[in-house]
Amino acid sequence: GQQLNQSPQSMFIQEGEDVSMNCTSSSIFNTWLWYKQDPGEGPVLLIALYKAGELTSNGRLTAQFGITRKDSFLNISASIPSDVGIYFCAGHRQGAQKLVFGQGTRLTINP
Amino acid sequence: DSGVTQTPKHLITATGQRVTLRCSPRSGDLSVYWYQQSLDQGLQFLIHYYNGEERAKGNILERFSAQQFPDLHSELNLSSLELGDSALYFCASSVGTSGAQDTQYFGPGTRLTVL
Repeated sequence: GQQLNQSPQSMFIQEGEDVSMNCTSSSIFNTWLWYKQDPGEGPVLLIALYKAGELTSNGRLTAQFGITRKDSFLNISASIPSDVGIYFCAGHRQGAQKLVFGQGTRLTINP
Repeated sequence: DSGVTQTPKHLITATGQRVTLRCSPRSGDLSVYWYQQSLDQGLQFLIHYYNGEERAKGNILERFSAQQFPDLHSELNLSSLELGDSALYFCASSVGTSGAQDTQYFGPGTRLTVL
């Protein structure tokens, strides 16, 4: 099925570093969502974006809905060990019932 | 805790068998979505029910079926199981069905292993 292009696929960083990941699509999206998934668990919603240009923060996390409505990014500042996991972007195209997911970014933090 | 519950958490069965996965949505949510997550496929949308009615189908095999009951819980039935059906199966729920601004919340998943 259709997926969003999410990058990078994996990141290996030092604790305390900032992280940036993004999702792009050739289609226009009305909603962008960012989820985090821990091993063996379900995805947990981090941030939801509903308007082009919207910039939303959740603690050390900041996400933006791209002006073109075809992309979104997620930043994590001052990473800590519990940030380890897989981050997924997801979005709704206008009128679509189906939530489309990116392939995920696996974040590994070296202490 | 998302408020979405799924049972069982783990399921081990043999090829050719049939299993049923259960999902209870968050209180007040009318939509239930089923997803399959395997190592090489990522999260794949299977099917969506809203208030008891099927609303959308994704990459769901004919061997799989689902339903949503009057109390809004949903069951995903997987039959004639194959080794490749081994995966995590997630249920998500949302309030409505309009897509945008209708955020989906995921359950903890059921890990199915077919031997």
